[in-house]
Amino acid sequence: TQLLEQSPQFLSIQEGENLTVYCNSSSVFSSLQWYRQEPGEGPVLLVTVVTGGEVKKLKRLTFQFGDARKDSSLHITAAQPGDTGLYLCAGERQAGTALIFGKGTTLSVSS
Amino acid sequence: NAGVMQNPRHLVRRRGQEARLRCSPVKGHSHVYWYRQLPEEGLKFMVYLQKENIIDESGMPKERFSAEFPKEGPSILRIQQVVRGDSAAYFCASSPGAHFQPQHFGDGTRLSIL
Repeated sequence: TQLLEQSPQFLSIQEGENLTVYCNSSSVFSSLQWYRQEPGEGPVLLVTVVTGGEVKKLKRLTFQFGDARKDSSLHITAAQPGDTGLYLCAGERQAGTALIFGKGTTLSVSS
Repeated sequence: NAGVMQNPRHLVRRRGQEARLRCSPVKGHSHVYWYRQLPEEGLKFMVYLQKENIIDESGMPKERFSAEFPKEGPSILRIQQVVRGDSAAYFCASSPGAHFQPQHFGDGTRLSIL
């Protein structure tokens, strides 16, 4: 059983389109992190959200943590080819403990 | 500051040999985590260590796998008598351990078993 369900698993869009990636669970997390991973490299942290209902923006990326701290979303506005990559959500059940990862969303943006 | 450094980046072993994977955390980070990534399965937690202590090894196989984080030097993930199923990318992450401080990852060691 996957504790964190990410959807969609694959997404292929044209440059300029908007998209949303979802990360859902039946469990509560003390914090949730979004990472981006390129082939042959390690995950790179994009953002950490810790408060229910929190919204964080990083240029064209908007991250939201659900009110109940069980789910999160990543919205990208006007996607660009440079956004192509694997996006991973990861949650901490308690601060400082191991991360539980979703399986990831592979995004491909074509020009 | 240097990030998390892992070596080697690629490691090839024959079945039955030993594999040693090294991880130097971000300077000042005292918490180290090891994860394994298999294609189509995502990253899975293996073990969580602080200096000289194993805090949580619930994700690590009971046999053939061990990990340490000595007072001096890098953290080591050791796999004895490797089998084909051990082929994977192994990632190390570190954090300062304070509340809500995120984990920073190295670029991994890709282990291939012949």
